[in-house]
Amino acid sequence: AQKVTQAQTEISVVEKEDVTLDCVYETRDTTYYLFWYKQPPSGELVFLIRRNSFDEQNEISGRYSWNFQKSTSSFNFTITASQVVDSAVYFCALSEADTGRRALTFGSGTRLQVQP
Amino acid sequence: DAGITQSPRHKVTETGTPVTLRCHQTENHRYMYWYRQDPGHGLRLIHYSYGVKDTDKGEVSDGYSVSRSKTEDFLLTLESATSSQTSVYFCAISGPYSYEQYFGPGTRLTVT
Repeated sequence: AQKVTQAQTEISVVEKEDVTLDCVYETRDTTYYLFWYKQPPSGELVFLIRRNSFDEQNEISGRYSWNFQKSTSSFNFTITASQVVDSAVYFCALSEADTGRRALTFGSGTRLQVQP
Repeated sequence: DAGITQSPRHKVTETGTPVTLRCHQTENHRYMYWYRQDPGHGLRLIHYSYGVKDTDKGEVSDGYSVSRSKTEDFLLTLESATSSQTSVYFCAISGPYSYEQYFGPGTRLTVT
């Protein structure tokens, strides 16, 4: 069975600090997809990124960057120069491609609070 | 934004009553999902559908049933609501060529 662990329950930083959210996953599939979602205080779930298991290139999008390492089964998310608007709960998720089911297995989430 | 709506957005019901939540999409996507979100658990899959009349169970399906008679609608039914089903319910869709899912706004259900 697949599993996603987000060990950091809550992180508090001051604006402009860099912060890294950790995600560790377990799967027996050889092909899988990893995701990050953001849930702001308003409650909606916002898709941020998808990563394929066969593509270990890191990705940067503005102040956001993602570090995917198959060797350690980790898919960490870094926010550079954090802003108050980054305050949200962030979820890491995994989808196994081999079964065709495509359902997501979520971590329990990390609540990020950015103080002004 | 993906065209996904959920109704109702909020509902309070009594233990033992049946409840149906509706998810409606305008994207014509094949895959639809129901998740529940509870503190400390993230989101957990209840049921999913991979086409009209094609559904299957997720990890927390006990006490829930689903139906999909049209591509655009996916219904979640609690046959006899219990307090443990108090939760926020999210519907999601995904297209045929991508694995990312797009979520509806959620339904907050309280069972008293």
